[in-house]
Amino acid sequence: DAKTTQPPSMDCAEGRAANLPCNHSTISGNEYVYWYRQIHSQGPQYIIHGLKNNETNEMASLIITEDRKSSTLILPHATLRDTAVYYCIVSGTSYGKLTFGQGTILTVHP
Amino acid sequence: NAGVTQTPKFQVLKTGQSMTLQCAQDMNHNSMYWYRQDPGMGLRLIYYSASEGTTDKGEVPNGYNVSRLNKREFSLRLESAAPSQTSVYFCASTEGATQYFGPGTRLLVL
Repeated sequence: DAKTTQPPSMDCAEGRAANLPCNHSTISGNEYVYWYRQIHSQGPQYIIHGLKNNETNEMASLIITEDRKSSTLILPHATLRDTAVYYCIVSGTSYGKLTFGQGTILTVHP
Repeated sequence: NAGVTQTPKFQVLKTGQSMTLQCAQDMNHNSMYWYRQDPGMGLRLIYYSASEGTTDKGEVPNGYNVSRLNKREFSLRLESAAPSQTSVYFCASTEGATQYFGPGTRLLVL
């Protein structure tokens, strides 16, 4: 599976959009981009995933560049409860195995 | 619908003791996983089971054994616990793209 690079930490003001970047320059054609988050040592929580097209759900939007070498997770209106570690993961479809890096610690400030 | 459940929530062992961590899911998922998470680190895959009756090693299988008892249950056994196995253990299940994680078992080996 392709490796990902994320900034170790980011800050965001409550109510503003949080834009979390991820580089995955070695991604191959059949690999998806997944985002998970982990709030205070709980089990990770699925947020969103995509292959080529941008995706949106009730939690977030995922923007994938045309060359698929990077992506951005957007939380449109961050709240204090969005403070968490966010993991960007690239994986093929082999039994859904995921490789977690160290992620980005997002801190949302009042 | 409880999702993924894990028992126990917390355990203290002495070096050399054995124990089994239990995991169950009620979502009728085929694939199940065991991860460990050390302080400040991402999750690392220990073992996984793509379907009932099959198990395979992940990234860090040494010192562990697993049993896929049936479609619902996937247990992780430490035969002779070592201090290096002090960690938080997460079980997950998946059907398709999304992994659902349990709340974790916090294990301390003295």
